[in-house]
Amino acid sequence: AQSVSQHNHHVILSEAASLELGCNYSYGGTVNLFWYVQYPGQHLQLLLKYFSGDPLVKGIKGFEAEFIKSKFSFNLRKPSVQWSDTAEYFCAVNAGNNNDMRFGAGTRLTVKP
Amino acid sequence: DAGVIQSPRHEVTEMGQEVTLRCKPISGHDYLFWYRQTMMRGLELLIYFNNNVPIDDSGMPEDRFSAKMPNASFSTLKIQPSEPRDSAVYFCASSWTNYGYTFGSGTRLTVV
Repeated sequence: AQSVSQHNHHVILSEAASLELGCNYSYGGTVNLFWYVQYPGQHLQLLLKYFSGDPLVKGIKGFEAEFIKSKFSFNLRKPSVQWSDTAEYFCAVNAGNNNDMRFGAGTRLTVKP
Repeated sequence: DAGVIQSPRHEVTEMGQEVTLRCKPISGHDYLFWYRQTMMRGLELLIYFNNNVPIDDSGMPEDRFSAKMPNASFSTLKIQPSEPRDSAVYFCASSWTNYGYTFGSGTRLTVV
């Protein structure tokens, strides 16, 4: 079964700093990759997704992620974070032929004003 | 579209009582998922349905947990009897094929 690793548990940044959150998955076949954001006290919302094509995916709120197949990675980036980006970020993967999505443990991002 | 609707938003119950959580998926979505979120274990997939049929319930922790989807617009997750360690936020999500999930607002369950 596929699994997802997010190595950063808690990241603290100042406003305007650049962000990169790591995500690695273990599955040898075709995968669909996702990043979700959970603001404090709210439900998960889709930030961006990758199915195929251009490995650099742009999402909402200035986020982007790059799929590097050789590294089994799908890191999330944002050039300049804002205080409102404070949230928990989840990477998720499902194999191309099923819809059983597995989530990483999440990375809590705190942006200091 | 109102999105995925879960009820209740909060539930406080005493140990040993039966708890029923409800979910209305987005119309037209053919998959429905139940997740549990805790600080210790993160997001855990409990069970998912495809076209109202349970596909994988290997994440259901024990026989005390059961889930049903009697039709395409409604699902329930039942815990009987409930225990304090069941306290968590339970999320329902739906999707059309595998194009990403839409989550409900969750039910925060506290068992005292």
